[in-house]
Amino acid sequence: GDSVTQMEGPVTLSEEAFLTINCTYTATGYPSLFWYVQYPGEGLQLLLKATKADDKGSNKGFEATYRKETTSFHLEKGSVQVSDSAVYFCALRNSGNTPLVFGKGTRLSVIA
Amino acid sequence: DAGVIQSPRHEVTEMGQEVTLRCKPISGHDYLFWYRQTMMRGLELLIYFNNNVPIDDSGMPEDRFSAKMPNASFSTLKIQPSEPRDSAVYFCASSFQTGGTHEQYFGPGTRLTVT
Repeated sequence: GDSVTQMEGPVTLSEEAFLTINCTYTATGYPSLFWYVQYPGEGLQLLLKATKADDKGSNKGFEATYRKETTSFHLEKGSVQVSDSAVYFCALRNSGNTPLVFGKGTRLSVIA
Repeated sequence: DAGVIQSPRHEVTEMGQEVTLRCKPISGHDYLFWYRQTMMRGLELLIYFNNNVPIDDSGMPEDRFSAKMPNASFSTLKIQPSEPRDSAVYFCASSFQTGGTHEQYFGPGTRLTVT
């Protein structure tokens, strides 16, 4: 079945450092890809998405590019802030009305 | 809109007791999802509904768990009897997928502790 694999956390970075969180997927067909963020004590929020190969999703300084050839959707940010500390989930949806398939999440801690 | 509303936010109960978690989806959304989150297993989909009808409950761990959606604005997840291993954060999410953007909106979650 469909699956999403994320890099194990936790990831600890200093403020203004460069962030990469790796995400690869296994799916039949042409899934849509998502990154969700969960701040402490809250539910998940959509951060960005891409619906077809080579699309780049971006939001709040975060970016991810849908790479079909490597089945990847890595999350990047050029300069992280303390407020970016959260758990980040990569997810896919394979077709119209099927539920999202989530990765296990990667906890990011940014220290001043 | 107020977003997805869940109640209670925290629930502490003793083993064997019945627990009912509640969810009010965003008005107009036609899909509703129940998830469970634990450190060990991550985020698991328990069940989801489309237009109040359960579509897939294969993620429900066992018969002690049941979910209902009597109307478009309310859903419940019931655990009877509860066990310590049910301790987790339970999330409800809703989406508008019929011709919509398919984005899922999550509630703040209910943290359940079974002692």
